[in-house]
Amino acid sequence: DAKTTQPNSMESNEEEPVHLPCNHSTISGTDYIHWYRQLPSQGPEYVIHGLTSNVNNRMASLAIAEDRKSSTLILHRATLRDAAVYYCILKTGGGSGAGSYQLTFGKGTKLSVIP
Amino acid sequence: NAGVTQTPKFQVLKTGQSMTLQCAQDMNHNSMYWYRQDPGMGLRLIYYSASEGTTDKGEVPNGYNVSRLNKREFSLRLESAAPSQTSVYFCASSPRTGPNQPQHFGDGTRLSIL
Repeated sequence: DAKTTQPNSMESNEEEPVHLPCNHSTISGTDYIHWYRQLPSQGPEYVIHGLTSNVNNRMASLAIAEDRKSSTLILHRATLRDAAVYYCILKTGGGSGAGSYQLTFGKGTKLSVIP
Repeated sequence: NAGVTQTPKFQVLKTGQSMTLQCAQDMNHNSMYWYRQDPGMGLRLIYYSASEGTTDKGEVPNGYNVSRLNKREFSLRLESAAPSQTSVYFCASSPRTGPNQPQHFGDGTRLSIL
């Protein structure tokens, strides 16, 4: 899977929007962009994914650059429960074997929410 | 709203002991996965089951075995535990395999091998 780059940490005030960036300059045409988050002492939680178009769900929005070399996860109103490590992951549609099934988690962005 | 359920949540073993980690999902998903998470290493895939009746090795399968008991259940067995297997183990499931399939995780089993 292609590599992603995220800031190590970010801070946000409670009830304000949060924009979490991710760079993936080597993305291929068949790579899906996935976002997961992990709260302390819990398993990773799926947030959202997309291929080319912007996506919205009840948790967040995903904005994908026109050239697909970057994306932004948008939390519309941060709450204390949103404090977590957020992972941007590319999932390829090609290849075979274990690598095509595995989610490869990097270091992610640790989001702190200030009351 | 159970999703993916893992048991036990915590376990301490002595070197050489065996144990089985249990995982069950109630979302009618076809595919299931076992990962381990170590500090500074991210999650690594141990084994996966693309569909009922099939299992395949992931990135770090040595020292583990799996059984896809039925569509709901996927167990991970440590035959002879070693201190290097001290980790947090996560089970996940997805509707199918594929790049656009989200994986849903359990809350993990924290395993310590003394």
